[in-house]
Amino acid sequence: AQSVSQHNHHVILSEAASLELGCNYSYGGTVNLFWYVQYPGQHLQLLLKYFSGDPLVKGIKGFEAEFIKSKFSFNLRKPSVQWSDTAEYFCAVNAPRDDKIIFGKGTRLHILP
Amino acid sequence: GAVVSQHPSRVICKSGTSVKIECRSLDFQATTMFWYRQFPKQSLMLMATSNEGSKATYEQGVEKDKFLINHASLTLSTLTVTSAHPEDSSFYICSARLGYEQFFGPGTRLTVL
Repeated sequence: AQSVSQHNHHVILSEAASLELGCNYSYGGTVNLFWYVQYPGQHLQLLLKYFSGDPLVKGIKGFEAEFIKSKFSFNLRKPSVQWSDTAEYFCAVNAPRDDKIIFGKGTRLHILP
Repeated sequence: GAVVSQHPSRVICKSGTSVKIECRSLDFQATTMFWYRQFPKQSLMLMATSNEGSKATYEQGVEKDKFLINHASLTLSTLTVTSAHPEDSSFYICSARLGYEQFFGPGTRLTVL
């Protein structure tokens, strides 16, 4: 069965700090990978996705993620965070032939002004 | 963009009553929709996959007689929590599939007294 592991449950950073949120998945075959963000009081939004091709994926708001197949990882990065990045971030995976998306437990990011 | 709405956004009911939650894809047709449950500070747990015109597929451990799902049209899926109890209090989120992506509704906060 597929599973997703997010290493950090709660991250606190100051503005302008660099961010990296870890995500590992377990699935032996081809996967689609996603990062979703949930801002306070809002619904889930897609931050970025990887289906195939260039393993370095750029998303909205300056976020990027790198798919490293050998490590089963899809870490999210941002070189300089802003206070408005305070949110919960979810890594997710699905197999292309499967409708289901499996979510990690989420990482709560708090940016200090 | 693809928009998914949910109604109601918040509902409070007495124990033993039934509650219906609607999920609509506003600007696209979705043959497949999904229902998730999110506990505080936890990830989204997939409850069931809703397929237009056929029976829903429930995840292991989810009672299909308690959580009735109907996907009567290409833009509407409903989740009915029957004989609700306080332990059913949670945040229920739906999503609708478009291609390989899922677009999420804003969620419904259910509180059972």
